Amino acid sequence: GAVVSQHPSWVICKSGTSVKIECRSLDFQATTMFWYRQFPKQSLMLMATSNEGSKATYEQGVEKDKFLINHASLTLSTLTVTSAHPEDSSFYICSARAIAGRGDTQYFGPGTRLTVL
Amino acid sequence: AQKITQTQPGMFVQEKEAVTLDCTYDTSDQSYGLFWYKQPSSGEMIFLIYQGSYDEQNATEGRYSLNFQKARKSANLVISASQLGDSAMYFCAMSPLYNFNKFYFGSGTKLNVKP
Repeated sequence: GAVVSQHPSWVICKSGTSVKIECRSLDFQATTMFWYRQFPKQSLMLMATSNEGSKATYEQGVEKDKFLINHASLTLSTLTVTSAHPEDSSFYICSARAIAGRGDTQYFGPGTRLTVL
Repeated sequence: AQKITQTQPGMFVQEKEAVTLDCTYDTSDQSYGLFWYKQPSSGEMIFLIYQGSYDEQNATEGRYSLNFQKARKSANLVISASQLGDSAMYFCAMSPLYNFNKFYFGSGTKLNVKP
């Protein structure tokens, strides 16, 4: 159980275009989802916390106008990278909060590799 | 402030042997959870094991066990009988129990299992 999917798994786009990444919890409802960014050989960096029906909470240094997050339902959160530039190229991972035995944990999607040309 | 430290950027282990991945943490919270995740080359983050700060017994999940030493603030992951499929990045993470929205990740350890 607790499966999270992401779509697309990889995307290549031209500089200046916008890219939307979907994150879905397949077998559970997730009131809270998270978006991370990971650079090669580095750890995950939390970008924002997405709550169903309310505005996302962004971490310090993350541009909310550039990384638009919409949590429209209990199973879907989307991240839109607006006017993408080469420096936005990265591995984006979403996760959803679920109860796992004795405590909460986050279950992660498979990630989306974004390359901006 | 919370901080997770993984001092082993890379490790090698022989197939079928046991290996310990180190993780130390620093927190002022009294109640917290400790997690280990595996990230293979495909990129997905796979949840392995959880330990609560008030749990008296060390957590075990199949071949994974967590050597939790609260006084030393360490939460080492032990993988028994290593398999080739265990080759991956391993991340230690911590979250305060009052706010599971905040996950703090270590820098990761790259484990290579040799045949």
